[in-house]
Amino acid sequence: RKEVEQDPGPFNVPEGATVAFNCTYSNSASQSFFWYRQDCRKEPKLLMSVYSSGNEDGRFTAQLNRASQYISLLIRDSKLSDSATYLCVVTSGDSWGKLQFGAGTQVVVTP
Amino acid sequence: GAGVSQSPRYKVAKRGQDVALRCDPISGHVSLFWYQQALGQGPEFLTYFQNEAQLDKSGLPSDRFFAERPEGSVSTLKIQRTQQEDSAVYLCASSSSRTWAGELFFGEGSRLTVL
Repeated sequence: RKEVEQDPGPFNVPEGATVAFNCTYSNSASQSFFWYRQDCRKEPKLLMSVYSSGNEDGRFTAQLNRASQYISLLIRDSKLSDSATYLCVVTSGDSWGKLQFGAGTQVVVTP
Repeated sequence: GAGVSQSPRYKVAKRGQDVALRCDPISGHVSLFWYQQALGQGPEFLTYFQNEAQLDKSGLPSDRFFAERPEGSVSTLKIQRTQQEDSAVYLCASSSSRTWAGELFFGEGSRLTVL
């Protein structure tokens, strides 16, 4: 079983709509959590960190549920430019430098 | 440039050949990471360095894979006797942090195809 699991999608979202998706992680010792964004054939880039209390960055809201070991990302007022693959990332419990990436959730925003 | 630079961007190798992939991190970044990304998958951790010290190499898939960062800046990932399953994009990333690896700055990757 992979340490980080994501629904691969694609999530087809009309422009202006809201989309939300989760990822689950298996290592209860993980301490830090992130969402990265990867455009087609490009490198991943940090979208936002995920804090225990939940956090918001513009149209993006991230939530962490440690008890159930899942992280969520919500995108409001979707833009065409939000089309990308969203990678859920958690730190490994035994090595701070070892980030574990999920396989990604693809989001396609349509006009 | 100011970002992470990787070369070559594309490499085609015949099965059994050795390849070397180079990463030039952002200047001043002490931490450097190598990831392998197969088509349709997320990046898989290979190894990381803090300065010249290789602190974790648990992700290297076999002893055919070797990474070094002798002077704490440029790093090279070497794959000996390449196999078809080694075909992937090899991503290098660097971070300014010594204590956590939250924001990694990735290079564009080296796409390796083994025939």
